[in-house]
Amino acid sequence: GIQVEQSPPDLILQEGANSTLRCNFSDSVNNLQWFHQNPWGQLINLFYIPSGTKQNGRLSATTVATERYSLLYISSSQTTDSGVYFCARKHGNKLVFGAGTILRVKS
Amino acid sequence: NAGVTQTPKFQVLKTGQSMTLQCAQDMNHEYMSWYRQDPGMGLRLIHYSVGAGITDQGEVPNGYNVSRSTTEDFPLRLLSAAPSQTSVYFCASSYGQGGSGYTFGSGTRLTVV
Repeated sequence: GIQVEQSPPDLILQEGANSTLRCNFSDSVNNLQWFHQNPWGQLINLFYIPSGTKQNGRLSATTVATERYSLLYISSSQTTDSGVYFCARKHGNKLVFGAGTILRVKS
Repeated sequence: NAGVTQTPKFQVLKTGQSMTLQCAQDMNHEYMSWYRQDPGMGLRLIHYSVGAGITDQGEVPNGYNVSRSTTEDFPLRLLSAAPSQTSVYFCASSYGQGGSGYTFGSGTRLTVV
């Protein structure tokens, strides 16, 4: 079946550090999204990025569809970046999620 | 603009009881879906709808029913609750079929005892 694998599964950062989260998928995609779930459970769409690079403040994402991966960069991390980061890809009419990366930023 | 509204936020059911989780969106999105989130398993798709009157099964549909009589509403029904359905349930909507503008509700934490 369709696989969406995220790494690392969890990550602890000191405030101010940078990090890279990775999402690998088992076949070619034309729809890749990144989400952040905050510690209160709310899920927020960060990027819709089927290919190329996008930036939004301290966050940026790059998808290389031909090589079947996407990266989420967090620069100058803050405690409010803590939570779970999910990537998800479209499969037919469905959005299939990875298991997530749990990020904890310490002050 | 409320986005995606889910009710209730919390619910405790006894085994065998039935209930309906409500989901409404005010963005005129065609696509709506229900997910459950369990520890270590990410989000798994239960049912989805690509428009009013059209629904289909996701990855884990057993024990759940849905209907889509209007564009705005997409309720999820638990027919006979089981402890295995203890989970956090999220409703989501988007412009296209799993496309951009994906918006989640705030979730319903369900416990079946």
